[in-house]
Amino acid sequence: EIVVTQSPATLSVSPGERATLSCRASQNIGKNLAWYQHKPGQAPRLLIYGASTRATGIPGRFSGSGSGTEFTLTISGLQSEDFAVYYCQQFHDWSPITFGRGTRLDIK
Amino acid sequence: QVQLVESGGGVVQPGGSLRLLCRASGFTFSSYAMHWVRQAPGKGLEWVASISFDGSNDYYADSVEGRLTVSRDNSQNTLYLQVNSLRLEDTAVYYCARDHEMWIPLWALSYWGQGTLVTVSS
Repeated sequence: EIVVTQSPATLSVSPGERATLSCRASQNIGKNLAWYQHKPGQAPRLLIYGASTRATGIPGRFSGSGSGTEFTLTISGLQSEDFAVYYCQQFHDWSPITFGRGTRLDIK
Repeated sequence: QVQLVESGGGVVQPGGSLRLLCRASGFTFSSYAMHWVRQAPGKGLEWVASISFDGSNDYYADSVEGRLTVSRDNSQNTLYLQVNSLRLEDTAVYYCARDHEMWIPLWALSYWGQGTLVTVSS
């Protein structure tokens, strides 16, 4: 099973600033990585797939990068609605889907 | 618009069974792989099962294999998850989700339901 490790566990950022979230896979997964936003009581929301492709309707301030084992989600110009938990998820080569443990993005 | 509505959750004793349903609308259900993901209280997301667009292939997390069965009825636009031999650690909100791509799954989950809560308690 491919393990994905997210860091940091919690990130405190001020509105208007940039947040950088990291995800590391235990083996090379190419670009087979997605990012999700999850708020309490709501359904998770797909932000990025293929490591860097924004899903439909996702604002341009969300961007993903990386390949292989190291990936980054960057949120520029943080808005109040962006404070949530973010998960990365790998999907590679018929191995079981696995999620990271999440990064909680808090208002500083 | 795409809608996924889960039902069937509830309180069940350890060792019991439940069948969860996910009713889909707003898209051609029979063209997409579907997935179940759960979230235990205070924990992160955990993928548990997936099924191909036509139901011919199913996939399970190691932690649940043998106790969960995913199935679908494309004529009824409905996804199912049969959960047997329930354990305390199966307590979670269970979400159904649609794959991003038609036919061949991308394994990125583009639409999610609101979830149904399963509580295993004696």
